[in-house]
Amino acid sequence: QQQVKQSPQSLIVQKGGISIINCAYENTAFDYFPWYQQFPGKGPALLIAIRPDVSEKKEGRFTISFNKSAKQFSLHIMDSQPGDSATYFCAASKDSWGKLQFGAGTQVVVTP
Amino acid sequence: KAGVTQTPRYLIKTRGQQVTLSCSPISGHRSVSWYQQTPGQGLQFLFEYFSETQRNKGNFPGRFSGRQFSNSRSEMNVSTLELGDSALYLCASSLGRTGTYEQYFGPGTRLTVT
Repeated sequence: QQQVKQSPQSLIVQKGGISIINCAYENTAFDYFPWYQQFPGKGPALLIAIRPDVSEKKEGRFTISFNKSAKQFSLHIMDSQPGDSATYFCAASKDSWGKLQFGAGTQVVVTP
Repeated sequence: KAGVTQTPRYLIKTRGQQVTLSCSPISGHRSVSWYQQTPGQGLQFLFEYFSETQRNKGNFPGRFSGRQFSNSRSEMNVSTLELGDSALYLCASSLGRTGTYEQYFGPGTRLTVT
């Protein structure tokens, strides 16, 4: 049973556009929601994360929006650049520092 | 500060063999987690170690095991390899302090079972 559902599976956006990736979770005990960026042949890199006590967090061109009542959170990539082309994973965890539950991933392609 | 390192980076094994993968966490990090990444199943949690103790375990058969040493370095072992064990095995480290959740991944070990 997949505890974190991610959509879309893939996304093509023009340079300068906005990329939006959505995730939904079931377990209300989750209290940490990170996003990871992964390039081919590399391990996932922590991009940005949010706790459920805030509704939005922004770091540079990356913003997480969090809706606790809807059990959804999303990643917005503003002013998308070709270098942002990668696979993005949302995740969630509760209580401990390990055991991240990952979404299936979204492959983002930014065209010049 | 050096990141998470994993050795070896690539490995080819035959069905029935066993394999040991190694992970060195970021200096000062005491928690190490292992994940399996495959195209079909995505990223799945294997287990987590903190202060040499396994605190969490995912839904993998007993053929998958791990351990952590006093210097926080960790190893995972897979015995009686099956073709389906072919995957990228990722190690992630974190501080392990209460309230600190950030996990940082290594580059992974690509295991191919033939």
